[in-house]
Formats: sequence, structure tokens, C-alpha cells
Amino acid sequence: DAEITQSPRHKITETGRQVTLACHQTWNHNNMFWYRQDLGHGLRLIHYSYGVQDTNKGEVSDGYSVSRSNTEDLPLTLESAASSQTSVYFCASSDRVGGAAGELFFGEGSRLTVL
Amino acid sequence: GENVEQHPSTLSVQEGDSAVIKCTYSDSASNYFPWYKQELGKGPQLIIDIRSNVGEKKDQRIAVTLNKTAKHFSLHITETQPEDSAVYFCAAYSNNDMRFGAGTRLTVKP
Repeated sequence: DAEITQSPRHKITETGRQVTLACHQTWNHNNMFWYRQDLGHGLRLIHYSYGVQDTNKGEVSDGYSVSRSNTEDLPLTLESAASSQTSVYFCASSDRVGGAAGELFFGEGSRLTVL
Repeated sequence: GENVEQHPSTLSVQEGDSAVIKCTYSDSASNYFPWYKQELGKGPQLIIDIRSNVGEKKDQRIAVTLNKTAKHFSLHITETQPEDSAVYFCAAYSNNDMRFGAGTRLTVKP
């Protein structure tokens, strides 16, 4: 079955370190997204991509970057981790045509703690 | 940008009762309104959605209503069961931007 997987599922790091969260989907979806989930804020969009070599900033992109070198993967990098980036991170994908709305398929999340 | 408010933040009902969760949005250009269910330790999953050209949509025990004039939409769950216990998120989509509400934790007591 097609799926979307995130790794690692749990990570503890120190302030100032670089961290990369991996996201891999096997649906061949063009669109991929990274959200962070915090109590009282729901899900907030960090970055998104509508295809290979395409990346866009979301609502809370400061301190994060993504790259899209193939259809299956959209890694999220925290260049210099801060305590404010302690959160649960969700990757999602969809097959909606850019600009149209449709179902998002979410991974199971990566819990990041920055000490 | 779009702002989505969701109420209540927590909701406890007795098994068999109905549950209603309400959301309001600010951008009149929003045209797609999904609802996601998130179980503990899992990612959110779409349970129902509605587009701006429809006022109501039903799928078995769940229904969503949309009032474009008032800019609010609601999720209705009838005959609740313990497995309905989860966190529910509403969202509104406009101009390549999907904004989520803060979530409602629903507990169904057996």
C-alpha cells in the first residue's frame, strides 16, 4: 500500500544544532507539506512544495528550510534549532492540482524536543 | 490571511448523544472546508469535507453544514461511540492556503 513515512519519530537535540526531519511518500503525489502542531494553535504550515525543485514558504517558515530533489521526499531542516521549535511535526502530501483544494494525507508525526 | 476559530476546545458527551463542533473563518474567498480526526499518536485523517457551493453534506453518522453568509461551518456527529473519541480539526482553504482551527478534544463516555 502507498504510504507516507516520517523519521525519526522522536528526537531530542540541543539548541544551535542542525536537525533534519525526513518525509517519504510512495503515492507519487506532486504536492508535499510540512506542518507543526502546538497546543492551542492547531496545525500551522511551515513550507510546501508543488513539485520537484519547487518550494514555498508557509505561515511559520522562519528558521526552517526544505528542498525537493525528487517526487518522493521533502526533508525539513532546522538550521540552528531553538527551544521555540520544540513541537510535533507532520508531513503531508496530496494529489490536488496546484491551487485546488483536496485531501491531505498525513504521516504519523515527528516529535522534536530542543533543550 | 485566513483566520479560523474553533469551539469548543474540549467536549465530553455520553455514548449515543450527539456532538457539535463549530468553526468560523474570516476570508470570504475561502472555498473548501475539510474536517480532520486525529487519534492519539497518529496523523490527522480527513473524515468529511464541503465546498462553498454546497450547504450541507452527510456521511453516515457525520454531517457538515456551511453558512457562507455568516462564515461559519459545523461538524455534527450523531449516535456517538467511544471510538469517536479523538481530536477534531476544522480547516478553511483560500488562495493556496489551508488554515486549521486549534482543535477540539472530543471524549465519548461509555
